Amino acid sequence: SYELTQPPSVSVSPGQTARITCSGDALPKQYAYWYQQKPGQAPVLVIYKDSERPSGIPERFSGSSSGTTVTLTISGVQAEDEADYYCQSADSSGTHEVFGGGTKLTVL
Amino acid sequence: QVTLKESGPVLVKPTETLTLTCTVSGFSLSNARMGVSWIRQPPGKALEWLAHIFSNDEKSYSTSLKSRLTISKDTSKSQVVLTMTNMDPVDTATYYCARMRVGAAAGNNWFDPWGQGTLVTVSS
Repeated sequence: SYELTQPPSVSVSPGQTARITCSGDALPKQYAYWYQQKPGQAPVLVIYKDSERPSGIPERFSGSSSGTTVTLTISGVQAEDEADYYCQSADSSGTHEVFGGGTKLTVL
Repeated sequence: QVTLKESGPVLVKPTETLTLTCTVSGFSLSNARMGVSWIRQPPGKALEWLAHIFSNDEKSYSTSLKSRLTISKDTSKSQVVLTMTNMDPVDTATYYCARMRVGAAAGNNWFDPWGQGTLVTVSS
């Protein structure tokens, strides 16, 4: 079955830039989406269609795509950004959704 | 305001069938650009997509769980129901329903917003 691969963890100091990657063979064909999940809470969409930001999401969140890898970038990381981040996309047929394994962002 | 709320048992026994209901408000299940998905998350683990249903009643299931899942909707009640048969302790998880925004091309779908989730424990 199709898989999306994320690093298990990323650590940055406040004010620095965090980059979280997600790799998958179908990403050149399918959009990627990113979700933020804080402990005990439901996930929240932070990026859709690779790089679009929903209303209400801070401008420091951005997304990009290059080949089989998509990247979530958080510029000027704040303590409140500490959370798990998941990428999501679909398989090449577009019929099955898939989540990455998640990346725990730690703000040092 | 769009909201989704999951309901169902908090405890099921092994081999039993789980039935979960997602009640939505703020949008219609007949909206062609929207659907509803079920997603679960075992304690301390990653999200796992289970199934989705579109406004035209088209359905899709996780390949690994397809034989155990059934998704259906009642548009008049604004409810989407997921059943999972032959429950096992490894199915212990928080089960979420989420509104699915349907993209222009196949597969270009995303989940926003999500319900609060309901923790289901499988134990005898």
